[in-house]
Amino acid sequence: GAVVSQHPSRVICKSGTSVKIECRSLDFQATTMFWYRQFPKQSLMLMATSNEGSKATYEQGVEKDKFLINHASLTLSTLTVTSAHPEDSSFYICSARDTRYEQYFGPGTRLTVT
Amino acid sequence: DQQVKQNSPSLSVQEGRISILNCDYTNSMFDYFLWYKKYPAEGPTFLISISSIKDKNEDGRFTVFLNKSAKHLSLHIVPSQPGDSAVYFCAASPSGNEKLTFGTGTRLTIIP
Repeated sequence: GAVVSQHPSRVICKSGTSVKIECRSLDFQATTMFWYRQFPKQSLMLMATSNEGSKATYEQGVEKDKFLINHASLTLSTLTVTSAHPEDSSFYICSARDTRYEQYFGPGTRLTVT
Repeated sequence: DQQVKQNSPSLSVQEGRISILNCDYTNSMFDYFLWYKKYPAEGPTFLISISSIKDKNEDGRFTVFLNKSAKHLSLHIVPSQPGDSAVYFCAASPSGNEKLTFGTGTRLTIIP
C-alpha cells in the first residue's frame, strides 16, 4: 500500500529558531501534498496545499511567510516553521495524494517550541 | 465555523457489540465523505468512504450510511473488537475538490 513518511517524528526547538519537517511519499509519486496541524483534542486543520513545481496554496489565516512550504519533487514536500514561537507547538501531519486521488497520511511530527 | 461536527467526543462499547459513530455537516457542497481512524501520535488511516450518489457503503465490519437530506453520516462497526479502540474522524470534501474538512473526532473505547 501507499506509504508516506515524515521526518523528524518529534522535535524540540527554542523560540526564534526555524524547524524543517519533511514529508515523503515512499512508493508513489504525489503531485499534490497537504499539510495539516492538530492541537490536542481538536480536529486536523488544513494549513496548505503543496503542488510540485509551483507555489503552495495557503488556507485563510495561515501565514505563508511563517510556514514555508517547498514541494521540490514528486516525492518530497517540506514545511519550515520559521521563527518558531511556543504557540506553534503542535502536531503537524502531511498527506500525499496519488493518481487515484486518494490521500495517504504521514505519521505526523510533534513540534515543541520552548 | 465547524462545518463537520462529531458531537460525541467519546464512546464506549462492549466487545462484540455494534459501535455507531455519528457525524453531521453543514456545507451542502460536500459530496464525498470519508472516515479515518487515528492512534495517538500517528497519522490518520483511511477506513471507508462514500459519495453522495450512494446512501450506504460496506467494507467488512465497517459500514457507512449517508443521509443527505439530514446532512448526517454514520459509521457502524460490527462486531467491535479491542483493536478498534482509537479516535475516529469523519471528513468531507466538495465535488472536484480534494481538500478535506475534518470533524473533531470521537474517541472509541472497546471494552473487553
